[in-house]
Amino acid sequence: AQKVTQAQTEISVVEKEDVTLDCVYETRDTTYYLFWYKQPPSGELVFLIRRNSFDEQNEISGRYSWNFQKSTSSFNFTITASQVVDSAVYFCALSGVGDTGFQKLVFGTGTRLLVSP
Amino acid sequence: DTEVTQTPKHLVMGMTNKKSLKCEQHMGHRAMYWYKQKAKKPPELMFVYSYEKLSINESVPSRFSPECPNSSLLNLHLHALQPEDSALYLCASSQDGGSSSTDTQYFGPGTRLTVL
Repeated sequence: AQKVTQAQTEISVVEKEDVTLDCVYETRDTTYYLFWYKQPPSGELVFLIRRNSFDEQNEISGRYSWNFQKSTSSFNFTITASQVVDSAVYFCALSGVGDTGFQKLVFGTGTRLLVSP
Repeated sequence: DTEVTQTPKHLVMGMTNKKSLKCEQHMGHRAMYWYKQKAKKPPELMFVYSYEKLSINESVPSRFSPECPNSSLLNLHLHALQPEDSALYLCASSQDGGSSSTDTQYFGPGTRLTVL
């Protein structure tokens, strides 16, 4: 079975602090895809990044960076110099065939990030 | 442009009402999805339409009835709902419509449904 674990339920930081959101996944697929989505209070899920299982290069996009380590089945997300607008629920997700026979997006339980001024 | 639109934003309905949720995308995507999200939980897949045909139904009760009139539109017809069906209903689309699609899903803003 495919599974995504986000052990951090809620994180509170003060603006300008760096914060890392953890994501650990389980899958038997050799080919799979990992995603991060942001869900602000408005409700829309905003796509942040997609990474395939063969590409372990870390990625940086502005204040966001992602660390993919296949050896530990982790895909962690770091926000540098956090801002109040970063306050949201962040979901890590895995797309793979698994036992179902079709591609399905499996979400973690989400991490709520609160950034205070 | 990665916009998926949903109407209405909010909906309150009684258990005997019939209502519909609408979703639209103009990105030329061939797969569209309905998800249900309860408070403080991740989204749960309900239905997948691939090339305008229903390809996945995640054992959703028949009081939820999806419809895909064309490749840009997706509806969710609601009838005889229960209070526990109150949730945020999210629509998404992705470029590829195949069952093996690994394409990124882009989500709409959702409809917050309250069933009284």
